[in-house]
Amino acid sequence: LAKTTQPISMDSYEGQEVNITCSHNNIATNDYITWYQQFPSQGPRFIIQGYKTKVTNEVASLFIPADRKSSTLSLPRVSLSDTAVYYCLVGEHSGGGADGLTFGKGTHLIIQP
Amino acid sequence: ETGVTQTPRHLVMGMTNKKSLKCEQHLGHNAMYWYKQSAKKPLELMFVYNFKEQTENNSVPSRFSPECPNSSHLFLHLHTLQPEDSALYLCASSQDSSGVISYNEQFFGPGTRLTVL
Repeated sequence: LAKTTQPISMDSYEGQEVNITCSHNNIATNDYITWYQQFPSQGPRFIIQGYKTKVTNEVASLFIPADRKSSTLSLPRVSLSDTAVYYCLVGEHSGGGADGLTFGKGTHLIIQP
Repeated sequence: ETGVTQTPRHLVMGMTNKKSLKCEQHLGHNAMYWYKQSAKKPLELMFVYNFKEQTENNSVPSRFSPECPNSSHLFLHLHTLQPEDSALYLCASSQDSSGVISYNEQFFGPGTRLTVL
């Protein structure tokens, strides 16, 4: 089971780029890295998923170094509405057990004006 | 709107009541999940259904009883709950291509806020 470690909280300002790093030293060969966003009293929402190098979509980028022991979620030009909890999950894309569906405590990102 | 609906959105029940939470997904997915989120705690996976078969039960007390009559509907039957069971109960679904649990994107419903008195 690849355990993840993230900062408990982060602060930033509108218009800035925010990078949230997740450590997963025990990541296995078949594991993917997935990030979710959750607003208060709502279900989490998928942001991005990757296996290695860099993945980019319309909302974020995910940077994964060659050793895959960490990953960084990058949010470009954040706004107040990006204030949320961000979760990093690591597990197999298929064939894995439910152990990997563990959200952890996440990172509480607070964006200020 | 994620394509996953949950009813009711709020529920208050006594410890001797029996109630059910309902989840419906309109995405054609074949895997459905129940999660519990207590105040200031991480999401806890409770149950997983894959192709209508329960594949995971994360040591959940028997006072929580899941039911998956078809791949679009998931229920959580509640009886003789305790005040510490008060939490946000979230349902999610995903499309699993292999018949086992996968990390394909999960779509969450809005949750049911449960209060046990």
